[in-house]
Amino acid sequence: DAKTTQPPSMDCAEGRAANLPCNHSTISGNEYVYWYRQIHSQGPQYIIHGLKNNETNEMASLIITEDRKSSTLILPHATLRDTAVYYCIVRPNTNAGKSTFGDGTTLTVKP
Amino acid sequence: DAGVTQSPTHLIKTRGQQVTLRCSPKSGHDTVSWYQQALGQGPQFIFQYYEEEERQRGNFPDRFSGHQFPNYSSELNVNALLLGDSALYLCASSTGRGGYTFGSGTRLTVV
Repeated sequence: DAKTTQPPSMDCAEGRAANLPCNHSTISGNEYVYWYRQIHSQGPQYIIHGLKNNETNEMASLIITEDRKSSTLILPHATLRDTAVYYCIVRPNTNAGKSTFGDGTTLTVKP
Repeated sequence: DAGVTQSPTHLIKTRGQQVTLRCSPKSGHDTVSWYQQALGQGPQFIFQYYEEEERQRGNFPDRFSGHQFPNYSSELNVNALLLGDSALYLCASSTGRGGYTFGSGTRLTVV
């Protein structure tokens, strides 16, 4: 599986956009980029995923570079409840594709 | 809409004992993955079950074994428990396409 690299921590002011980067330089052509977040003591929560086009849902936007070697998760208007550990993962979109988690980015949203 | 259900939520075992953890996947999901999460670390992949077979396995010893039943539910068994097996054990279900849905986990403490 391709590995990902994320900064260990980031801060963001409440109401501002949070931009979380992820490097996945060894990503394969059939691997998707997935983002999850984990709030303390809960199971990870799926946020969004994409292959090569930018994606948006009610939670966030995902921007993938043209060479697919990096991506950015954008939380457009961060709230205190967005404080969590955010994980970026790459995997094929099949039943055989396991998800390997790194240590993620701890995002702290401050008032 | 029932998500992923894990039982028990908490468990205390003695070194050398055996433990069985259970997982009921989200309705419509046929693939179950198990993860171990130590305090302060990202989830570590144990194995994945699809069509009642172990399809992928992480770097865990044979003391860790599992099973998937025809109704897609799954069990994780750990034999000869060590103190280092103390962790949050997470079950995730999926259809192969799209994100995983995680349960809230089982907190295992080995004393």
